[in-house]
Amino acid sequence: DAKTTQPPSMDCAEGRAANLPCNHSTISGNEYVYWYRQIHSQGPQYIIHGLKNNETNEMASLIITEDRKSSTLILPHATLRDTAVYYCIVRPRMDSSYKLIFGSGTRLLVRP
Amino acid sequence: ETGVTQTPRHLVMGMTNKKSLKCEQHLGHNAMYWYKQSAKKPLELMFVYSLEERVENNSVPSRFSPECPNSSHLFLHLHTLQPEDSALYLCASSQGTAMNTEAFFGQGTRLTVV
Repeated sequence: DAKTTQPPSMDCAEGRAANLPCNHSTISGNEYVYWYRQIHSQGPQYIIHGLKNNETNEMASLIITEDRKSSTLILPHATLRDTAVYYCIVRPRMDSSYKLIFGSGTRLLVRP
Repeated sequence: ETGVTQTPRHLVMGMTNKKSLKCEQHLGHNAMYWYKQSAKKPLELMFVYSLEERVENNSVPSRFSPECPNSSHLFLHLHTLQPEDSALYLCASSQGTAMNTEAFFGQGTRLTVV
């Protein structure tokens, strides 16, 4: 019951920005957008999350549209180690069951 | 290193065996989770524990039995598994009920049922 849609795969050149889109047209006003990534055969790694304002941390930037129906994760200078599956997850604000429901994600390949 | 440690990293077991997966977190979190990731499938949430009580069981067969003896430890007891249960089993933890906190995952246990 993932509430997001992502392209199955993308690629970008090393050193360039990687822009990963996510559609969440049914998002509710109290639901956060989370991004995780999973490098092959490892556990998912938290990247960033936001509600309605754009967010930036040491790993990435998150741009959320004004209507909140879509967002973009930006890796400003992709490296080969950024090759992974990236998951965009919509998570309720006061969900007592603490769920993170993963979809199929976007497989990002960073090319040398 | 995420602060969530899973052991063993790899496990091969027969269908009649009983084994346990262990997860330990050193983050002071009060919620812990088990996920299953089969080949070429999304992660599936199996169980959720909050304050050492199970708050969610996502229709998981009874051959999987979780146990949370304290807030730092989570086990998944396995018995009479089937080959289709072969998968990567991931443990995660998080703090509090506020949804602006992230979950941290362990590296997983790669389980093969023969």
